[in-house]
Formats: sequence, structure tokens, C-alpha cells
Amino acid sequence: DTEVTQTPKHLVMGMTNKKSLKCEQHMGHRAMYWYKQKAKKPPELMFVYSYEKLSINESVPSRFSPECPNSSLLNLHLHALQPEDSALYLCASSPTTERGERGYTFGSGTRLTVV
Amino acid sequence: GNSVTQMEGPVTLSEEAFLTINCTYTATGYPSLFWYVQYPGEGLQLLLKATKADDKGSNKGFEATYRKETTSFHLEKGSVQVSDSAVYFCALIPNSGGYQKVTFGTGTKLQVIP
Repeated sequence: DTEVTQTPKHLVMGMTNKKSLKCEQHMGHRAMYWYKQKAKKPPELMFVYSYEKLSINESVPSRFSPECPNSSLLNLHLHALQPEDSALYLCASSPTTERGERGYTFGSGTRLTVV
Repeated sequence: GNSVTQMEGPVTLSEEAFLTINCTYTATGYPSLFWYVQYPGEGLQLLLKATKADDKGSNKGFEATYRKETTSFHLEKGSVQVSDSAVYFCALIPNSGGYQKVTFGTGTKLQVIP
């Protein structure tokens, strides 16, 4: 299994809603990442998990809350989002954060629209 | 810091034309270099990679050679197809120890017309 699976593919939420994005990989990777991608832009790093522990938070607002329940799963909890948070949210994984030469494996993303 | 510069798009080609998308980078040491492709409405897929100078990465008819002397990693394909229409991102990951953060270029949109 060489995939990163993200659910849901599309999500529409109101500014008062609470929702979660899910990401799963079964490649034995110990580093997992959340990225945000706006239209016509490259992905921007949000969070890095290494061995199930949060190692990097790129100054992301607290309305985004990541969680790594185990080595295969990564969640992103959303609460009180703003319309400008509408974007494609990508999950990625790599063997470890120190071994970058294999590149990252990305999921297909969740297209989030905040209304 | 590290940076990746790609040619501005969009690039519009006729089917079976030759493709070049330029990519140059700035980094200390010897980073690993990558091309990712993003089809409409999808995530990023690793297209090819090279981990040291003079390595050639290749996949699905695409090629790129790691040129240390010119700090470049240009993407080429001899004959493009309509199905190659996508956004292409050049990227680097440093091999400098510790956390290996990926740096992306701005992306180049390719449109292939029949």
C-alpha cells in the first residue's frame, strides 16, 4: 500500500461548525504533514508530526487543531473557521523527517469551503 | 535560505510537441530534487526525483537531470499528450541533517491542446 488516503474529498462548513479532516497511511512512515494549498499556489506547510508527536507548528491559528492518534492516522480538527480558510488541505507522509531523499507521498486532498 | 525558481506559466503546447519547464534552485550542500505533478482537482504526485549531482530522474516519458554546476533541474518530455495537462512543481529537500523541510517552486501550468 503506497497511498495516503484523505477523507472527505469535499467539505462545506459554516463558520460556527466543527468538523474534522482525516488522513491515513499504511506505508510505515513515521512523519506526517498537513499542508494548505490556495488556488494557483504551491502547498504551504501547517504542521509536522514525527513519531506521533507534534514537532512543528508553522504559526497556524488555533482554530486548526491537529491530532495524531497513532502512527497511521492524522486528523485536523476545524472550528470557527473563516471564509479565507477555504482551500485544498493536503496530507503527506515520509519515512521520517530526517530522511527526505525519497520525497513525500501526498494524499488527494480535502477541498474545504467555508460559508 | 533555500529557494526554487520555476518558469512562469501557463505553457501551452500542441500535442506531440517537446516540453521544457525550467527550474533552478538555491540551497547549501547537496539537496534532493523533485518534480511533482498536480492534475486538476487532485493532490500532488511525485513524478521523478534525483538525489545527487548528474543523476537523471525519469518517469512516464519525463526526464530531469540534476545539474550542480548550473543549480538546475529542468523537466523535459519529448512528445506531450493532452493527458499531461497539469500543474508541475519543482521542489527540493535539503540533506543537511535534522528536519528536512520541502521547498516548492511556484508551479507551472501546462496545457496541451489536440
